Amino acid sequence: AQSVTQLGSHVSVSEGALVLLRCNYSSSVPPYLFWYVQYPNQGLQLLLKYTTGATLVKGINGFEAEFKKSETSFHLTKPSAHMSDAAEYFCAVSGDNNAGNMLTFGGGTRLMVKP
Amino acid sequence: SQTIHQWPATLVQPVGSPLSLECTVEGTSNPNLYWYRQAAGRGLQLLFYSVGIGQISSEVPQNLSASRPQDRQFILSSKKLLLSDSGFYLCAWTERSNSPLHFGNGTRLTVT
Repeated sequence: AQSVTQLGSHVSVSEGALVLLRCNYSSSVPPYLFWYVQYPNQGLQLLLKYTTGATLVKGINGFEAEFKKSETSFHLTKPSAHMSDAAEYFCAVSGDNNAGNMLTFGGGTRLMVKP
Repeated sequence: SQTIHQWPATLVQPVGSPLSLECTVEGTSNPNLYWYRQAAGRGLQLLFYSVGIGQISSEVPQNLSASRPQDRQFILSSKKLLLSDSGFYLCAWTERSNSPLHFGNGTRLTVT
């Protein structure tokens, strides 16, 4: 079975500050990892994904994440927060080769950006 | 390119009334299809998924049901809504691999 834990349901940063959203996973097979962003009353939008290869993955809107197998982590970062980054962020894992190709999502982290 | 359409965007229904939410995908064939629900302040809950026409798997027992009458059409239904059915319903699709989910814009359902 696979699972995802996002530490911190709410994170608050000042505009221009570093954004760090934490994600730890468990998987019995090499994982595929994803970060999604959700703005109010909208669906989830893919930010970035890790499948194989380079462990540092760059996504849209200046976000990036690093896959660290030894730490079973896939933390999301952005060097400088913008007001428009305020949203909810979901980490997800896949890879257990289940028939439905289902992703397992973390509980989400709401990012607040203070002016 | 592939697109996913989900409607309606918002819906207010009385307790005990029926429900039908529809989702269609364009630009791909044989997608895996999913229904998720977000209750207020909570994460994503997988309700149903389908790997083919007429094939529905239920993840959570409840008074909701799903159907896939066509390859790229996925319908979420209920015969009698409960107050606890209120939430934000998301349809999603993916290819048959460990590829990302692509989400619709969601339906905000309020049961009164």
